[in-house]
Amino acid sequence: DVKVTQSSRYLVKRTGEKVFLECVQDMDHENMFWYRQDPGLGLRLIYFSYDVKMKEKGDIPEGYSVSREKKERFSLILESASTNQTSMYLCASSLTAHSNQPQHFGDGTRLSIL
Amino acid sequence: GDSVTQMEGPVTLSEEAFLTINCTYTATGYPSLFWYVQYPGEGLQLLLKATKADDKGSNKGFEATYRKETTSFHLEKGSVQVSDSAVYFCALSGLSGGSYIPTFGRGTSLIVHP
Repeated sequence: DVKVTQSSRYLVKRTGEKVFLECVQDMDHENMFWYRQDPGLGLRLIYFSYDVKMKEKGDIPEGYSVSREKKERFSLILESASTNQTSMYLCASSLTAHSNQPQHFGDGTRLSIL
Repeated sequence: GDSVTQMEGPVTLSEEAFLTINCTYTATGYPSLFWYVQYPGEGLQLLLKATKADDKGSNKGFEATYRKETTSFHLEKGSVQVSDSAVYFCALSGLSGGSYIPTFGRGTSLIVHP
């Protein structure tokens, strides 16, 4: 079974801090994704990556950046955290960019910015 | 662009009642369709999928049929249990610029009472 592991279940940070959210998958998937989930808004795609060192903007990239130095690891970075970035963050992976395979999700990181 | 519309919740049912959660989509080409389920405190997990018109996906007593003529993928279950209480997401994976991009609905919360 594919396992997607997010480094923290809960995280509390202060406004202006630089925040790193880490995600690791163990099945050699090419694609990795970062979403945020807010009540009433569903999942919104922040960034995704089809390969090492590649990244594509999703629907709401402002205030975020990503890093993919190794195939199994995809990091989300909040350059200067703000209170409106308090949310649940979900990482996902899927096999390749050229197939319609389903995504596999981590359990999420609930981030609070004070 | 692609979009997914699903009925707003919460949907509240008694145990053993029949469940329908409506989902319609807009997409170019021939997307794959998915239902994901999110239990409290967890990430999303794949419930079922269908990859072409008239395909029926099924799992754990849930079913959904890919209806291209009505662009729908409604989720049904004949007899719900308390343990089915969760948030259900309809999603599609459509081809955009040579790669498959996932699109999610906003989610429908299901509450099942004993």
